[in-house]
Amino acid sequence: AQKVTQAQTEISVVEKEDVTLDCVYETRDTTYYLFWYKQPPSGELVFLIRRNSFDEQNEISGRYSWNFQKSTSSFNFTITASQVVDSAVYFCALSENNAGNMLTFGGGTRLMVKP
Amino acid sequence: KAGVTQTPRYLIKTRGQQVTLSCSPISGHRSVSWYQQTPGQGLQFLFEYFSETQRNKGNFPGRFSGRQFSNSRSEMNVSTLELGDSALYLCASRNREYTDTQYFGPGTRLTVL
Repeated sequence: AQKVTQAQTEISVVEKEDVTLDCVYETRDTTYYLFWYKQPPSGELVFLIRRNSFDEQNEISGRYSWNFQKSTSSFNFTITASQVVDSAVYFCALSENNAGNMLTFGGGTRLMVKP
Repeated sequence: KAGVTQTPRYLIKTRGQQVTLSCSPISGHRSVSWYQQTPGQGLQFLFEYFSETQRNKGNFPGRFSGRQFSNSRSEMNVSTLELGDSALYLCASRNREYTDTQYFGPGTRLTVL
């Protein structure tokens, strides 16, 4: 069965610090997709990134970067030079090709960026 | 393109009542999924509809049901409400049936008293 673990429930940093959010997943499927979503206080889940299991290339988008390592079943998310607007709950999610591609979410990491 | 819309945004009901939530997907998207978010259980998958057919269902009791219309709009219904049904209900849409990213709406916050 698929499972996503976000061991950090809450992280607090000061603005301009770098922060890494950890995500570890379990799956028996060979074809799967990994996602990160951001949930601000308004409640809507905002899509950040999607990677498939065959593409281990790391990705950078502005201050955001993602490190996908199949060997350790991890898909970590780093925010460089954090800003107050980055404060939110971040969710890592997994979907498996053989499970109808429903999303299985981790428990989320609440990030608080203080000025 | 307009995003996923959900109505109503907030709802208060009492135990034993039933409730219907509505979701309009992004224009052109044919798949709609529903998720329940609670502090205790986190985000859990309810069901997914594609072209008016339920394609996948999560581990929820039969009190939770849904449907999809020909214009891809979807409704979910919860009958005989229980206190534990208080949650944020999120709807997501995607273009194709099994691939593509799911884009979420703002959610409906249901409170059961």
